[in-house]
Amino acid sequence: AQTVTQSQPEMSVQEAETVTLSCTYDTSENNYYLFWYKQPPSRQMILVIRQEAYKQQNATENRFSVNFQKAAKSFSLKISDSQLGDTAMYFCAFMRSGSQGNLIFGKGTKLSVKP
Amino acid sequence: DTAVSQTPKYLVTQMGNDKSIKCEQNLGHDTMYWYKQDSKKFLKIMFSYNNKELIINETVPNRFSPKSPDKAHLNLHINSLELGDSAVYFCASSQDWGGLRTDTQYFGPGTRLTVL
Repeated sequence: AQTVTQSQPEMSVQEAETVTLSCTYDTSENNYYLFWYKQPPSRQMILVIRQEAYKQQNATENRFSVNFQKAAKSFSLKISDSQLGDTAMYFCAFMRSGSQGNLIFGKGTKLSVKP
Repeated sequence: DTAVSQTPKYLVTQMGNDKSIKCEQNLGHDTMYWYKQDSKKFLKIMFSYNNKELIINETVPNRFSPKSPDKAHLNLHINSLELGDSAVYFCASSQDWGGLRTDTQYFGPGTRLTVL
């Protein structure tokens, strides 16, 4: 069974600085997808970034980028120029290709951006 | 222009009652899901439906029954509510690509259920 581990329950960063959130996963599959979702205090789950395992290039979305290390089964999220609005729970998630949408989440990292 | 909507956002009820949570998506997606987020923020899939057909049914008590009147709606009915059912329930949807369902899931705002 696939598992997703986020080893940092809480992190904090100063506004405008850079922070990296860790995520590792365990799978024997070769084809899969990885996601980072953000859950601000409003409770809404918002997609931050997505990575296909077959792509070697790391995904980026504006200030958000990932470091995808397939051999190490690592998928960290880097947030550059942190903003107060980035304060949220961040969830790493894994989906095996052909799993019919079974998205498996990590336990989340609570990120606080301080002014 | 809400893509995935849920009603109600908050639901407070007594143990033993039966309640429903409604979900609608206007994205034209083929697949819809229900997730449960517990008090420790852990999210776990409960069900998924594709074109009104049940695809995933995790180990959820049979007091929980999803119902899909059409592919834009997936409602969650819960019978004989228990204290342990208190959680946030999220609906989500994704586009089905040839049955692979590897596309991104978009979530609703969640429904906080409190059972007293």
